[in-house]
Amino acid sequence: ETGVTQSPTHLIKTRGQQVTLRCSSQSGHNTVSWYQQALGQGPQFIFQYYREEENGRGNFPPRFSGLQFPNYSSELNVNALELDDSALYLCASSLTVNEQFFGPGTRLTVL
Amino acid sequence: GDSVTQMEGPVTLSEEAFLTINCTYTATGYPSLFWYVQYPGEGLQLLLKATKADDKGSNKGFEATYRKETTSFHLEKGSVQVSDSAVYFCALLNNAGNMLTFGGGTRLMVKP
Repeated sequence: ETGVTQSPTHLIKTRGQQVTLRCSSQSGHNTVSWYQQALGQGPQFIFQYYREEENGRGNFPPRFSGLQFPNYSSELNVNALELDDSALYLCASSLTVNEQFFGPGTRLTVL
Repeated sequence: GDSVTQMEGPVTLSEEAFLTINCTYTATGYPSLFWYVQYPGEGLQLLLKATKADDKGSNKGFEATYRKETTSFHLEKGSVQVSDSAVYFCALLNNAGNMLTFGGGTRLMVKP
């Protein structure tokens, strides 16, 4: 069984640019959640998608947006990048409420 | 809103020592509680969970008991190993079941 995968592993962008991060959920999981983890801190919830619909959003501005596809994979898009967006972005997939399985993350550096 | 507070690290122990990492929470209702572990350069792995009061979650020698009266979920292990060195996160799941709220993490370093 393939776990949660994320791409790319690392990327470097400059302020004002846009970025797209990708996540493939674990087989059969219909729910994907995205989290931002700044260095030395705990992850913060960005949003969740369930069967292609947004199912909850954390305290992040609208320039953070997402998509979920029919195969339940997902994208996180961030527009107008700021220096503070530098972080590890984690994707988690789940089938039941009490089991979220995390991917290895994408390390984003904004210069 | 919901919040999780855990003891600050780093916690440095010798191999075979007893481990306790404190975690307390604030939430409405009775959230499910979790401990996740993060090894260097990796994502989060679910270590254990408890979904109702007085439940004890356990895995790989780690245990935590859901204490509603003290709103706590402290992580314990009787004898740590060097391979347990990692960052440990306490988390709760909100009533809607869609958002995990994490504590700030506690770094554990185990010396041989």
